[in-house]
Amino acid sequence: DAKTTQPNSMESNEEEPVHLPCNHSTISGTDYIHWYRQLPSQGPEYVIHGLTSNVNNRMASLTIAEDRKSSTLILHRATLRDAAVYYCILIPRYKDSGAGSYQLTFGKGTKLSVIP
Amino acid sequence: DAGVIQSPRHEVTEMGQEVTLRCKPISGHDYLFWYRQTMMRGLELLIYFNNNVPIDDSGMPEDRFSAKMPNASFSTLKIQPSEPRDSAVYFCASSRDRGSTGELFFGEGSRLTVL
Repeated sequence: DAKTTQPNSMESNEEEPVHLPCNHSTISGTDYIHWYRQLPSQGPEYVIHGLTSNVNNRMASLTIAEDRKSSTLILHRATLRDAAVYYCILIPRYKDSGAGSYQLTFGKGTKLSVIP
Repeated sequence: DAGVIQSPRHEVTEMGQEVTLRCKPISGHDYLFWYRQTMMRGLELLIYFNNNVPIDDSGMPEDRFSAKMPNASFSTLKIQPSEPRDSAVYFCASSRDRGSTGELFFGEGSRLTVL
């Protein structure tokens, strides 16, 4: 299964942009790149996902390298509420037949601290 | 919608006791996932269901763990007998699809402590 590599921790100043990197050198052509985050004492929440093109939503932006071996989650202006663990995961797009299996393991992610 | 609902939020039990964790997924979601989170291993997938049928249980650690989904609105994860190394936060999540294009919605988790 394709795996991702993220830094264990990062720091950012409040109101500054944050770039969270993720390496996925063994990504396959049909793997989607997903980002989730987990606030303290809560379950993970979806942030954004993409396949090849850069993506934007109200929470963040996702830039994907041309060879798809890395991606970056961008928080445009970090707030204290953005302090969380951020997970980058790859999800294969099999035909939704219900057969087969895939691992959706989040690993340990990047712990983002936001400094006031 | 109330989101994914898990109970209990906290459970403290003694080694050897049976533990049952419960989950109510979001209405209309066909997929349900059980995860376990520990400091050592992070967030691991234990099992997932599609339309109430278990599809992949390869993440279930051993026979002491079992999961059921008797209907579309309820699932249980049971540990019998429980051991201290089972102490973790257990999350339930649901989605409309397998998560490849959509999103997973997680509950707030059940924190289990086995003494």
